Amino acid sequence: AQTIHQWPVAEIKAVGSPLSLGCTIKGKSSPNLYWYWQATGGTLQQLFYSITVGQVESVVQLNLSASRPKDDQFILSTEKLLLSHSGFYLCATTGGMAEQFFGPGTRLTVL
Amino acid sequence: GEQVEQRPPHLSVREGDSAVITCTYTDPNSYYFFWYKQEPGASLQLLMKVFSSTEINEGQGFTVLLNKKDKRLSLNLTAAHPGDSAAYFCAVSGGGGYQNFYFGKGTSLTVIP
Repeated sequence: AQTIHQWPVAEIKAVGSPLSLGCTIKGKSSPNLYWYWQATGGTLQQLFYSITVGQVESVVQLNLSASRPKDDQFILSTEKLLLSHSGFYLCATTGGMAEQFFGPGTRLTVL
Repeated sequence: GEQVEQRPPHLSVREGDSAVITCTYTDPNSYYFFWYKQEPGASLQLLMKVFSSTEINEGQGFTVLLNKKDKRLSLNLTAAHPGDSAAYFCAVSGGGGYQNFYFGKGTSLTVIP
């Protein structure tokens, strides 16, 4: 069975500081990977997806970038955080019938 | 692209009552439909998946109905209990590729004991 690990669990960062969030998938080769952002209030926004190493497609940028350095790893980052980046970041992968499975998430607070 | 509208945004029911959440979508080529549950502070948990070849799926304590003609998907919790209190999201996929996964805005359900 596939497992999704996200790190860190939570972050409190200052406006203007850099950020790096990680996601690792185990138990599945060549997974499709996604980053989502969930604002306070619950709306989910897909940010990026990747179907192979080194390739990332942007859906909505929000002054963030993503990279896929390894088959099982997806990184979300920015050099300068904004207040509006606060929220819950979720990594997801696709199951066998188009469903998406989500990692435990990283809660980000920008002050 | 696909537009998914979910209603109501907030729902409060008494324990033992039913609760119905509905989503409508616009892309007739959408083929996969999902319901997710998100408990407070937690990630999303897949509750049920429905494909366009099925119309009714039953789970433990809930039923999912798909009406392709009206492009409507509904989740019916038949006898709600306090453990059902959570946010529920519908999702629609398949219309433009597997990476296109569209969520409704969610419904916050409160079950009052």
